[in-house]
Formats: sequence, C-alpha cells, structure tokens
Amino acid sequence: DTEVTQTPKHLVMGMTNKKSLKCEQHMGHRAMYWYKQKAKKPPELMFVYSYEKLSINESVPSRFSPECPNSSLLNLHLHALQPEDSALYLCASSQRFQSAEQYFGPGTRLTVT
Amino acid sequence: DQQVKQNSPSLSVQEGRISILNCDYTNSMFDYFLWYKKYPAEGPTFLISISSIKDKNEDGRFTVFLNKSAKHLSLHIVPSQPGDSAVYFCAASGDSGYSTLTFGKGTMLLVSP
Repeated sequence: DTEVTQTPKHLVMGMTNKKSLKCEQHMGHRAMYWYKQKAKKPPELMFVYSYEKLSINESVPSRFSPECPNSSLLNLHLHALQPEDSALYLCASSQRFQSAEQYFGPGTRLTVT
Repeated sequence: DQQVKQNSPSLSVQEGRISILNCDYTNSMFDYFLWYKKYPAEGPTFLISISSIKDKNEDGRFTVFLNKSAKHLSLHIVPSQPGDSAVYFCAASGDSGYSTLTFGKGTMLLVSP
C-alpha cells in the first residue's frame, strides 16, 4: 500500500467555523508533512512531524493547528480562517525525516467564505 | 525570490516525440533534485531524482540531466505518450536529499495523439 489518503476532498467553511483535515498513511513512514498550494504556485511547506513530534513549523499562523495522534495519522485543525487561506492542502509522508522522496495525498480543496 | 524556476508554464508535444522540461535553480546548497508529476485531482507523484554527484539518471522513458555549473536540470521523456500529460514539478533539496523540498511552479505538459 503506497497510498496517502486525505479527507475530505473538498471543504467549504465560514470564517467562524472550526474544521479538521485528515491524512492517513499505512506505509510505516515516520515523517509526515502538511503543504499548502495556491493556484499556479508551488506547494509550500507548513509543518513536518517526525516520529509523531512536530519538528518543523514554517511560521504558520496559529489558526492552523497540526496534530499527529499516531504514526499513521495526521490532522490539521482549522479555526477562524481568512478567505486568503483558501487553497489546496496536501499531506505527504516519507520514510525518514525530510527525505526528498515523499508520497503525497490527493489534497483537500479548502474554500473559506 | 524563487530558488527553483520553471520558466515554461506549458509545453505541447506530439505523441512519440521527445518532451524536454527545463528547470533552473539559484541556491548552491541544493545537491539533490527531483521531478514530481501531478495529474488533476491527485497529489504529486515522485518520478525521478538525481544527486549532484551525477550528471544523468535514467529510468525507462525518463532521463534527468544535471548541469551543475549552469545550475540547470532537464527532464527528457522519450517517446512521449498521451498518458504523460500532467503538470511536472521540479524540486530541489540540500543535505543529499534530507532537507526541506523547494518546488518550482510547474510545467503543464500536453501530449497530443
């Protein structure tokens, strides 16, 4: 199984809502990542977890809150988002911390209204 | 300032011909380079990589060439097939591939029958 799954595929939320994005992998990878991708832009790294501990936070606003409940799951909790946060949110995993060869999920298309 | 540049937003090629996708980088600390392929509604998929100690790496129809002095790499697809139509992201990393990935903006390849 070389798949990274993400739910939901699409999410529309208001600026006062609280929602969560979920990511799952069963490849035994010990590093998991959240990226944000705006239209016609490259993916931008947000967070990296290594062995279920937050290792990198790329100065992401606190309205984005990551969580790694176990080695297979990665969540991104969203609260009080702004319309400019609308983007594709990609989850990825790799065998080792910061390995360049990463497996990506299909992403969650988030729209903030 | 973009550290990884893909100056061609799109490329159209006929089936059976060669596709050449180009990428330039500015950061001398990058020593590991990758190409990812992305279909609509899917996450990026790792395609091929090259370490800075090499100038060529081949995998089937895909070959990546690296010119370190010019800080330039290219992906050759021969022969091109309609199923190769996708967005191709060039990415770079330091520490021999164990550092944060920096992506280019991507090139959309369209292979027509």
